Amino acid sequence: GAGVSQSPSNKVTEKGKDVELRCDPISGHTALYWYRQSLGQGLEFLIYFQGNSAPDKSGLPSDRFSAERTGGSVSTLTIQRTQQEDSAVYLCASSLDWRSSTEQYFGPGTRLTVT
Amino acid sequence: AQSVTQLGSHVSVSEGALVLLRCNYSSSVPPYLFWYVQYPNQGLQLLLKYTSAATLVKGINGFEAEFKKSETSFHLTKPSAHMSDAAEYFCAVSTGTASKLTFGTGTRLQVTL
Repeated sequence: GAGVSQSPSNKVTEKGKDVELRCDPISGHTALYWYRQSLGQGLEFLIYFQGNSAPDKSGLPSDRFSAERTGGSVSTLTIQRTQQEDSAVYLCASSLDWRSSTEQYFGPGTRLTVT
Repeated sequence: AQSVTQLGSHVSVSEGALVLLRCNYSSSVPPYLFWYVQYPNQGLQLLLKYTSAATLVKGINGFEAEFKKSETSFHLTKPSAHMSDAAEYFCAVSTGTASKLTFGTGTRLQVTL
């Protein structure tokens, strides 16, 4: 079966614009994660969805960032009023369940550049 | 809170030499530990994981890691490096019900002829 897919693969946007990043998890995976990879901060957790439970938003860096997961499958990460420090690679991962021991499968990422 | 420290942002080895990438963790509860590899312009791929079963864990591509609680370490090794092993390697930890991963800063492995 297909792995985790993300779109677009690259996104260039002007400062102040809103962007939406999409993640399609592996079919049947109930948990979905967003991470950010940047030169200055390394790999950081952003947000986590598990089934119908309330998402864990503890990693979102500001209220300009939000995410939703529709129908327990596809997820969209939205960044409003983008800033240059938002430039990074945004990685999505999914796992079969919520357990800490369960492997997370990562997508190829979306490279966001804010000019 | 949990954290991971990877010693050495860059490691260079000769082809055929031993690979040793260091990872130390900090956690107040029993951890689950992972090593991921990232090739250029790609996502992360799991090499191996420790989930409180055997302390010596074997993964893909000939890599293995040993969990040492007394040293709070989970170092990654491979007996003989190949050119194809050149990539960035990340150690990560998760604990309890917080399944989100906390990553180390990564180690870039260079393999020379």
